Amino acid sequence: QKEVEQNSGPLSVPEGAIASLNCTYSDRGSQSFFWYRQYSGKSPELIMSIYSNGDKEDGRFTAQLNKASQYVSLLIRDSQPSDSATYLCAVKRAGTASKLTFGTGTRLQVTL
Amino acid sequence: DAGITQSPRHKVTETGTPVTLRCHQTENHRYMYWYRQDPGHGLRLIHYSYGVKDTDKGEVSDGYSVSRSKTEDFLLTLESATSSQTSVYFCAISFQGEAFFGQGTRLTVV
Repeated sequence: QKEVEQNSGPLSVPEGAIASLNCTYSDRGSQSFFWYRQYSGKSPELIMSIYSNGDKEDGRFTAQLNKASQYVSLLIRDSQPSDSATYLCAVKRAGTASKLTFGTGTRLQVTL
Repeated sequence: DAGITQSPRHKVTETGTPVTLRCHQTENHRYMYWYRQDPGHGLRLIHYSYGVKDTDKGEVSDGYSVSRSKTEDFLLTLESATSSQTSVYFCAISFQGEAFFGQGTRLTVV
């Protein structure tokens, strides 16, 4: 079992719809959770961090965390073609000097 | 912009040759990391540093060494490059618990 699992996709959503990206993790010691966006040929860009159970909203993005279910998700509202990218989920244990464990990413395609 | 510069951006090298990749940061961050990214594996930690001359191994450290003689520079060396080390290499820094990445170096070993 991989430590951080994501569906590789592609996840295809029409412009204006809500995109829902999911991630599960196996290490119950994980305490920090991150979503990165990566365009093809570019470096990962941090878009959301979440540390406690519940929802965290930032603009069109909402991160959701459920530690009991070991599940973290990212919702993108009003999806735009510019949101088409690979989204990487990353987790970190407490006190591990920001050493991140990444999933393999979900490719999102927003269609016109 | 986290002030991270990687060099070179692209490199092709022959099997068995040594290769050094450089990561330079301008913000005096304590923690620096080297990751590699491969299809089907995602990003994997190679080595990291928590200060000048303080380094430790990540999950895929075999065949790699690192050095950090100055706060701003973190070097990754492939002692004898192999085709399995063909990859995209990313340097990262940690700031307030969050990691930020450089532009990446695409390394091809032929």
